[in-house]
Amino acid sequence: RKEVEQDPGPFNVPEGATVAFNCTYSNSASQSFFWYRQDCRKEPKLLMSVYSSGNEDGRFTAQLNRASQYISLLIRDSKLSDSATYLCVVSREGSQGNLIFGKGTKLSVKP
Amino acid sequence: DTAVSQTPKYLVTQMGNDKSIKCEQNLGHDTMYWYKQDSKKFLKIMFSYNNKELIINETVPNRFSPKSPDKAHLNLHINSLELGDSAVYFCASSQDFGSGETQYFGPGTRLLVL
Repeated sequence: RKEVEQDPGPFNVPEGATVAFNCTYSNSASQSFFWYRQDCRKEPKLLMSVYSSGNEDGRFTAQLNRASQYISLLIRDSKLSDSATYLCVVSREGSQGNLIFGKGTKLSVKP
Repeated sequence: DTAVSQTPKYLVTQMGNDKSIKCEQNLGHDTMYWYKQDSKKFLKIMFSYNNKELIINETVPNRFSPKSPDKAHLNLHINSLELGDSAVYFCASSQDFGSGETQYFGPGTRLLVL
């Protein structure tokens, strides 16, 4: 089982759609979870951290289920500018900033 | 006011050459990283330094040698370049080395080995 697995992409959605990304991780001792966003030919940038209680930032909602080792990201009312690759990121056990990146899921929002 | 900068942005070189990539951060962070993103888009950590000390050293050929002259700089030297070294190399930094810290990435260096 890969350390971090994400939905295969790409996701092609119309503007205004709601889209959900899923991610599973293999190390039950992982402590920190994130979603990063990477635009084409650019560097990854933090989108949001993911907490056990779930967290929301505007149109973006992240959820963590530790029992199932599952992370999700929901994007509501998709904008053209949301088109990017979304990377699920998990820390290693006893990590010192050692993050494991998923391969990413590409989102393309069309007019 | 660039936060994490890398030079060069592009690097095209022949097999067997030695090259260096430089990274600087002006965020006052204590921890810096090197990542490799290959053609399949997997982003994998290579090294991490905290206050100039090596704290993460993943399974990377010893042709790759990081050097941190001070905590604002982390350079990557690659000896005897191979075709498989072609990738995008990202430098990153974080406030410290805790796993919950946000990492800020540089723009990447696109290395092509011919």
